[in-house]
Amino acid sequence: AQKITQTQPGMFVQEKEAVTLDCTYDTSDPSYGLFWYKQPSSGEMIFLIYQGSYDQQNATEGRYSLNFQKARKSANLVISASQLGDSAMYFCASHSLGKVTFGTGTKLQVIP
Amino acid sequence: SQTIHQWPATLVQPVGSPLSLECTVEGTSNPNLYWYRQAAGRGLQLLFYSVGIGQISSEVPQNLSASRPQDRQFILSSKKLLLSDSGFYLCAWSVYDLGAAGMNNEQFFGPGTRLTVL
Repeated sequence: AQKITQTQPGMFVQEKEAVTLDCTYDTSDPSYGLFWYKQPSSGEMIFLIYQGSYDQQNATEGRYSLNFQKARKSANLVISASQLGDSAMYFCASHSLGKVTFGTGTKLQVIP
Repeated sequence: SQTIHQWPATLVQPVGSPLSLECTVEGTSNPNLYWYRQAAGRGLQLLFYSVGIGQISSEVPQNLSASRPQDRQFILSSKKLLLSDSGFYLCAWSVYDLGAAGMNNEQFFGPGTRLTVL
């Protein structure tokens, strides 16, 4: 069974500052993928970044980077230079052998 | 480019009534397809996924069912809705991957259907 834990129900960050959203996972499968999605108030789910369990380097996509610590089973999302448009719900998810598990999400609010 | 459509966008149904939500994908062939439900203030729960026509895997027992009559069409149904079926239903697709059912591929989500059961 897989489990995703996001311990921060809400976060505030000052505009232009960096913020880290926490995610820990628990899976017994040796191969898995870790994803982060953004959900604005409109409800759509937007893919942000992906990390494979065998990837040696941390994934980066523009202002997003994934701090992957396999031994600790953590996959934190780092957003650099926060913008007002970053205010949204953020979900961590794991995919493995057809099983998909989402965390409960973190609501990020960027303060001007 | 690929697009994914869902309809209706919102739906209000009485308890015990039937349900049919439709999802279609354009611009890709043989995608993996997924149905999720998001309860208010909660994360996403995978309900069904499909790696091909007529192939449906159910993740949780419930009074919902799914069908894939065509390659790029995924339908979520119920014969009798319950109050607990209220939520935000999202359809998603990913590049075909039979073995891992999308393990290495990001999912692209539709705009969602907000269902309220009264």
